[in-house]
Amino acid sequence: GAGVSQSPSNKVTEKGKDVELRCDPISGHTALYWYRQRLGQGLEFLIYFQGNSAPDKSGLPSDRFSAERTGESVSTLTIQRTQQEDSAVYLCASSLDGSKETQYFGPGTRLLVL
Amino acid sequence: TQLLEQSPQFLSIQEGENLTVYCNSSSVFSSLQWYRQEPGEGPVLLVTVVTGGEVKKLKRLTFQFGDARKDSSLHITAAQPGDTGLYLCADSGAGSYQLTFGKGTKLSVIP
Repeated sequence: GAGVSQSPSNKVTEKGKDVELRCDPISGHTALYWYRQRLGQGLEFLIYFQGNSAPDKSGLPSDRFSAERTGESVSTLTIQRTQQEDSAVYLCASSLDGSKETQYFGPGTRLLVL
Repeated sequence: TQLLEQSPQFLSIQEGENLTVYCNSSSVFSSLQWYRQEPGEGPVLLVTVVTGGEVKKLKRLTFQFGDARKDSSLHITAAQPGDTGLYLCADSGAGSYQLTFGKGTKLSVIP
């Protein structure tokens, strides 16, 4: 079956512009996660969606970051007024539910802010 | 805040050699996971270990979990170019969906 897909695969933007990153989770997976992977660093948790519950936004690094999810499907991560330190790979994962189920990762969006 | 330290940071070996990489935690693991991430891809789960002293094998990969559940090792026998990638350890905190990751070991296996 289809895995987690993300788009775009690469994004180059100028400092100060807004960007939108998209994630399509595995069909039937109620839990969705966003992580950030900076060069030479491990993955940092950003945000978690589970069904219709309020999302856990505790990992978002600043108010320039926001994310939405439509029901139990597509999610978008928005970064406003991008900064050079936002350059990273943004990874999305989904799982059957949030209770320690295996997380399946997408290939990521590589964001470069010039 | 839990810190996961992985060593070595980089490892380059010849095909056929054996290697071991390590993951150490500043606190007891809830549930330790090992992932492999290939260039341009997301991490893929290799194994989950929960019980102290546990040993799991996955073909040429052997995973050991320390008795005190604060450290783990991944041993690869007769490495192949297909083993090339970033090996990450992670902990899923007790009752949590959040994964805490180490920085990884970048392995290159030269044919």
